[in-house]
Amino acid sequence: EDQVTQSPEALRLQEGESSSLNCSYTVSGLRGLFWYRQDPGKGPEFLFTLYSAGEEKEKERLKATLTKKESFLHITAPKPEDSATYLCAVQAYETSGSRLTFGEGTQLTVNP
Amino acid sequence: ETGVTQTPRHLVMGMTNKKSLKCEQHLGHNAMYWYKQSAKKPLELMFVYNFKEQTENNSVPSRFSPECPNSSHLFLHLHTLQPEDSALYLCASSRTSGGAGELFFGEGSRLTVL
Repeated sequence: EDQVTQSPEALRLQEGESSSLNCSYTVSGLRGLFWYRQDPGKGPEFLFTLYSAGEEKEKERLKATLTKKESFLHITAPKPEDSATYLCAVQAYETSGSRLTFGEGTQLTVNP
Repeated sequence: ETGVTQTPRHLVMGMTNKKSLKCEQHLGHNAMYWYKQSAKKPLELMFVYNFKEQTENNSVPSRFSPECPNSSHLFLHLHTLQPEDSALYLCASSRTSGGAGELFFGEGSRLTVL
C-alpha cells in the first residue's frame, strides 16, 4: 500500500527564515511526486511534479527536490503570503493512473 | 481562478435531505474527480470519470451518487447522509485520468450534516 508521511505537521517561521518541509513516501513504483499548496477555504493549487531521484524544480522562493525515499520543499526567505498548507502526493505505476495518495500536509505560518 | 467552479460553496443539510453538489470545468479536460477532505486526514479519492465514464469508485457508500453528463460537468448527489460525512468536497479535473497527477481543483463545497 502506498504511503505518504509529511513532517512537521505545523511549522512557524519568521519572515526571511528559510526552512524545509519533508515528504517521506513508500510506493511500489513511483510514477510521480506532486506538491500542492492549499490556502484556508480553498482547493489545493498545483506547484510541482517530480519524476525521478535527483530531480529539482523551482518556483519563486520554493524549490522541490526528490530522492528515492523522500522529497523536500525548501522555502528560501519566506514571506507571510507563503503561509498555507503544503500537500505532498504520490502516483504509482501499478495503480490506476488517476490515483494519487496524499499526505496530511504541513501547515506553514510565516510571521512578519 | 483555477478554471474549476464548484457550487454551492457551503451546504447544511439534515440526515433525511437530498441535495446535490455541482462542478464545472472550463479547461477542456477529459477527466473529473471527486475528493473528500476531512479535518486532520489526507484527501480521499471518491470517484473518477474519464470521458464521461466512471473509471473508479473508491468503495464509496451508496448515499453518495455521482453523475457526469459530459466532460465539463460533474455532480455529486447526496441523500440520507450521516454527520460523519461532514467535510470539504473537492472537485478536480485533469487532461485524462491515465496521465500525470497534475490536478486542477475547485474551491470546494463545505458540507455540514446535522
